[in-house]
Amino acid sequence: EAAVTQSPRNKVTVTGGNVTLSCRQTNSHNYMYWYRQDTGHGLRLIHYSYGAGNLQIGDVPDGYKATRTTQEDFFLLLELASPSQTSLYFCASSDGGRRFEQYFGPGTRLTVL
Amino acid sequence: SQWGEENLQALSIQEGEDVTMNCSYKTYTTVVQWYRQKSGKGPALIILIRSNEREKRSGRLRATLDTSSQSSSLSITGTLATDTAVYFCAANSGTYQRFGTGTKLQVVP
Repeated sequence: EAAVTQSPRNKVTVTGGNVTLSCRQTNSHNYMYWYRQDTGHGLRLIHYSYGAGNLQIGDVPDGYKATRTTQEDFFLLLELASPSQTSLYFCASSDGGRRFEQYFGPGTRLTVL
Repeated sequence: SQWGEENLQALSIQEGEDVTMNCSYKTYTTVVQWYRQKSGKGPALIILIRSNEREKRSGRLRATLDTSSQSSSLSITGTLATDTAVYFCAANSGTYQRFGTGTKLQVVP
């Protein structure tokens, strides 16, 4: 079965702090995604990538950077965290031929004080 | 129903009852997916229906798709307490998919 892992699972930081969220998939999928989930908004796409070194913007990219270092690893960076970025973050992966069948990780809960 | 700015709906039913959730989407799509998210977990794909299909079944799940009205539905027959979860629809919009806001389903034993 597809496997997507995220770390850390929980993170608390202060306003203006730097945060890096990590995601690894062992599915040999070429697509990877970062979403945030907030009550009333559902899942919203921040960034996605279709391979190492590639980065595409989603619907809510402001305040976020991302980097895909290998096919397996995708990172989300918050360089100046703000309270509005307090959220539940999910990483997902999918195969190029079945791009809309996404496999999700367990999520990272981020709190910015 | 759910999509975009619509509020999260909540349903509470008794175990054994049937339930139908609706979703509408705003753009042309070739495929609609339904995901289930249990408490503390990430979403998991449960059924996918393509634009050339009007209905798709998988066990106790049945999805329908009406491309003319840009809407989809998910039905669960003979619900179990383990069906308690939030259910999302997602529709591809160009290069990536967008998710609805979800329907929170509670199945009471």
